[in-house]
Amino acid sequence: ELKVEQNPLFLSMQEGKNYTIYCNYSTTSDRLYWYRQDPGKSLESLFVLLSNGAVKQEGRLMASLDTKARLSTLHITAAVHDLSATYFCAVDRGPGRRALTFGSGTRLQVQP
Amino acid sequence: DSGVTQTPKHLITATGQRVTLRCSPRSGDLSVYWYQQSLDQGLQFLIQYYNGEERAKGNILERFSAQQFPDLHSELNLSSLELGDSALYFCASSPERGTDTQYFGPGTRLTVL
Repeated sequence: ELKVEQNPLFLSMQEGKNYTIYCNYSTTSDRLYWYRQDPGKSLESLFVLLSNGAVKQEGRLMASLDTKARLSTLHITAAVHDLSATYFCAVDRGPGRRALTFGSGTRLQVQP
Repeated sequence: DSGVTQTPKHLITATGQRVTLRCSPRSGDLSVYWYQQSLDQGLQFLIQYYNGEERAKGNILERFSAQQFPDLHSELNLSSLELGDSALYFCASSPERGTDTQYFGPGTRLTVL
């Protein structure tokens, strides 16, 4: 059974600080997804990581993938209040089996 | 706006009742996925359809069923509703090609009283 674990589950940080969210998964997967969810809202796609060593950046967020370690990280640089949200990582099992298994989510709170 | 639409936005009903949730995927997307989000279970995959055919099943209860129609819209039917079925139900779509992600709709919030 594919399991996806995120940590931390809750993160309170000050504006301007850096931090990293970790996502571990239990079986081989060829795609790793990061999503953002604001309270009561839908999921917004942030990144799709497709290969070992993949790195993608958008603004203050940078995601990376290490398929050998089955680990992805989402790094936040110089956090701002607008980044406050819940961040989910998810994996699928490959072509024809793209149903996503999600982690529990990391609730990020950026304090002014 | 992801391009995926879901109706209704909110649904309040009683235990034992049956409801239907509707989803229209992004133009051109052949795959539709249904997910349930609840406080105790998190985000869970329910079922996937691809071009009208069921492709994958997840943690979907026997009381729940779905289908995808020739115009590619999908419906999720929930019957004999229980209090524990109260949740946010998301539909997502993808073209199943290349580097594309799954695009999520706004969700239907179901409250069972």
